[in-house]
Amino acid sequence: SAVISQKPSRDICQRGTSLTIQCQVDSQVTMMFWYRQQPGQSLTLIATANQGSEATYESGFVIDKFPISRPNLTFSTLTVSNMSPEDSSIYLCSGRLGGDTQYFGPGTRLTVL
Amino acid sequence: DAKTTQPPSMDCAEGRAANLPCNHSTISGNEYVYWYRQIHSQGPQYIIHGLKNNETNEMASLIITEDRKSSTLILPHATLRDTAVYYCIVRPNFGNEKLTFGTGTRLTIIP
Repeated sequence: SAVISQKPSRDICQRGTSLTIQCQVDSQVTMMFWYRQQPGQSLTLIATANQGSEATYESGFVIDKFPISRPNLTFSTLTVSNMSPEDSSIYLCSGRLGGDTQYFGPGTRLTVL
Repeated sequence: DAKTTQPPSMDCAEGRAANLPCNHSTISGNEYVYWYRQIHSQGPQYIIHGLKNNETNEMASLIITEDRKSSTLILPHATLRDTAVYYCIVRPNFGNEKLTFGTGTRLTIIP
């Protein structure tokens, strides 16, 4: 299995600012993902974080708004840029071992005022 | 374009077996059935997965019908800590296929 940690666990931010969320995995994973969970909703995939190259974004998500880095096999960051209250969500990091099981971090609860 | 159908909610008495159904009638031959759960304010937790044989681990059992069009997750002795949203997901077990979440089943364990 893989243990995934995220920092910060929660934050309250002002409109127009940016927040970078860090994700650390305790083992090397082949794939890393970022999800968003809006209040009362299910999880929505934002992007696949690719090591050493640009992330692959899902429809409705763009790099300018959600820049992602993945410098190695165990670490990734997601930045939520120019935030608005609509960005208030839980952001979850996920890592997949081999082609098999995918594990999730505890999430970062973001509130934008 | 959810590939699975689950009841939106279920109740189960504490100590009894919780049986959560999932329909995946369009499942492909190379797709596995995965189950995750999300306890309030936590990240999703992997429970179990299988292809066509029944599977059991320390958390649950997974029963997949012979035609693979449906499955049941069984929590043998439900406790209050099993109250959560349970997600049934189908995904090929190779390549870059994404894990796509539907709306799941909200299971409430009743004391």
